[in-house]
Amino acid sequence: QPVLTQSSSASASLGSSVKLTCTLSSGHSSYIIAWHQQLPGTAPRYLMRLESTGSYNKGSGVPDRFSGSTSGADRYLTISNLQFEDEADYYCETWDSNTQVFGGGTKLTVL
Amino acid sequence: EVQLLESGGGLVQPGGSLRLSCAASGFTFSSYAMSWVRQAPGKGLEWVSVIGGSSDSTYYAGSVKGRFTISRDKSKNTLFLQMNSLRAEDTAVYYCAKDQSSSWYLVDHWGQGTLVTVSS
Repeated sequence: QPVLTQSSSASASLGSSVKLTCTLSSGHSSYIIAWHQQLPGTAPRYLMRLESTGSYNKGSGVPDRFSGSTSGADRYLTISNLQFEDEADYYCETWDSNTQVFGGGTKLTVL
Repeated sequence: EVQLLESGGGLVQPGGSLRLSCAASGFTFSSYAMSWVRQAPGKGLEWVSVIGGSSDSTYYAGSVKGRFTISRDKSKNTLFLQMNSLRAEDTAVYYCAKDQSSSWYLVDHWGQGTLVTVSS
């Protein structure tokens, strides 16, 4: 089954951009993933589906500042013009025939 | 608008049982796979179980296989998770989630979660 690897933490300054990475395990570089955001003390929120081609499809109400991209087995979530409200945990997710998998999550701090 | 409302969480002793429910609305419930995902205090998201849309195939994480059972009542648009032989390590917030299609097990909507605490 696939494994998703994320850095445990990231930080960037208010108004700047940050690129979070989710890496698929060997043999799974073609897999589609989803990105989810979890603000402190709240349920996760679906951000987007991201395909191996780099094509992405965002959830309802997700700001234009959020975008996705792909390079090989890496799936990226880029947040532009960072706001304090973007400070959250970000998780990637994928699935196989009989399982769902989440990455360990990246805690984003906005400085 | 998709809405998922979990209920049934609470405090239960080790070895006990609990049944979670998730009332779904705003979409054709029978056409989509549905999942349960949990989050232990201070930890990340952990997939628990999924039930397919049209096929109703069921799959479980190894940590709960044989103890938990996922099911759905399509006439009542309700998803269930029957949890037996509960352990302290099952303590978590349990989220109901809608998946992106009948056979794409990828979450696109989340419920607000219900807390399950296993303790004596």
